[in-house]
Amino acid sequence: EAGVAQSPRYKIIEKRQSVAFWCNPISGHATLYWYQQILGQGPKLLIQFQNNGVVDDSQLPKDRFSAERLKGVDSTLKIQPAKLEDSAVYLCASIPRGGEATGELFFGEGSRLTVL
Amino acid sequence: AQSVAQPEDQVNVAEGNPLTVKCTYSVSGNPYLFWYVQYPNRGLQFLLKYITGDNLVKGSYGFEAEFNKSQTSFHLKKPSALVSDSALYFCAVRDPGGNNRLAFGKGNQVVVIP
Repeated sequence: EAGVAQSPRYKIIEKRQSVAFWCNPISGHATLYWYQQILGQGPKLLIQFQNNGVVDDSQLPKDRFSAERLKGVDSTLKIQPAKLEDSAVYLCASIPRGGEATGELFFGEGSRLTVL
Repeated sequence: AQSVAQPEDQVNVAEGNPLTVKCTYSVSGNPYLFWYVQYPNRGLQFLLKYITGDNLVKGSYGFEAEFNKSQTSFHLKKPSALVSDSALYFCAVRDPGGNNRLAFGKGNQVVVIP
């Protein structure tokens, strides 16, 4: 079974530029999450999708961050314009349909963003 | 809001010795607790969980964790550490209100010394 795919793995940009990250969850996984992991901290949830609908985006900085999952499969997270404090690893995770009770998330390897 | 605390930044242990990584939690209602491991430049991997039942839960790679309600703790343990266990370990608690939102601790770096 293929895992959660993310790209790019690494991205370096200057502040005020924009960046986009892509995630393809495990086939059949209905729920998709984007987490932000700043160095020295645990992952923080940015947004949760159920199929193509947003379940929770309460911690997403909506003035600069946006995310979509148009067809209920892959997802894109965008940052525009980026700030220095956005430097982090952006993790995508998914969970299978009916797996919500287990709480076991499957994570991708992450996209590491450095903002200069 | 639910939260977990991992009081130590780094845990050093000699290979073959017992390994313990500490976690305490704060949640209203019954906690759903998890441990994840992160190897360098990799995503998080699920190790084990406590939802209900026996206080001692067993997980992957020989790890286990003990749920202690009176002490609000969920410490991760391994009887004999391996060098390959060197990684970042995260404790997490699930929002009992649903949505499967996990609140993670800051993580503990485990270094197993050969």
